Amino acid sequence: QVQLVESGGGVVQPGRSLRLSCAASGFIFSRYGMHWVRQAPGKGLEWVALISYDGSNKNYADSVKGRFTISRDNSKNTLYLQMNSLRPDDTAVYNCAKDGFCSGGTCYPHHFDSWGQGTLVTVSS
Amino acid sequence: QSALTQPASVSGSPGQSITISCTGTSSDVGYYNYVSWYQQHPGKAPKLLIYEVTNRPSGVSNRFSGSKSGNTASLTISGLQAEDEADYYCSSYTSSSTSVFGGGTKLTVL
Repeated sequence: QVQLVESGGGVVQPGRSLRLSCAASGFIFSRYGMHWVRQAPGKGLEWVALISYDGSNKNYADSVKGRFTISRDNSKNTLYLQMNSLRPDDTAVYNCAKDGFCSGGTCYPHHFDSWGQGTLVTVSS
Repeated sequence: QSALTQPASVSGSPGQSITISCTGTSSDVGYYNYVSWYQQHPGKAPKLLIYEVTNRPSGVSNRFSGSKSGNTASLTISGLQAEDEADYYCSSYTSSSTSVFGGGTKLTVL
């Protein structure tokens, strides 16, 4: 079955950088778009970024555009999120999620089909 | 990229039905039929309940159903059970090829 395992979270000072990873297994990683979604403590879900199956297209939430970069290595079945110029309001649990699914030759995109358990990023001095 | 609007909380008794609304704009909920719904229990990852407005993934109870009219989508839970007590989020793909979530609704089963 689909398994997504995030890593790389921790405590970081404002203005510094951090790179998150998401190791994928149980599906053909190179065939699916992937998302990052975050959830600040006690708050709701916030979509962060999407990367297409081959890495050629990337989209970002306005709140992270220009600071965060989503990327993937299909040879390693791994998704990344490079976070620069971190701010206290970036403090959140960061989840990776698989974009949709395919069944019987038909694909159903544009939703969050499977989720990892998340990794906590705390931005504080 | 404004969040979709959901009621902060809803409640119902076991066996009853409840509906959670999700209001967006003509650039998101009203643009595509790519509205999805998620259930999140405390400390857990969200779980997909509904995709493409009305479709349930395999394994999701048929007590959960979705609909849409114009810029507003809805999730209905029938035959409420204690285990349904959780946070519920809607999401929509947008005309800008991004995604947006609702603020979330806390369901209390009385």
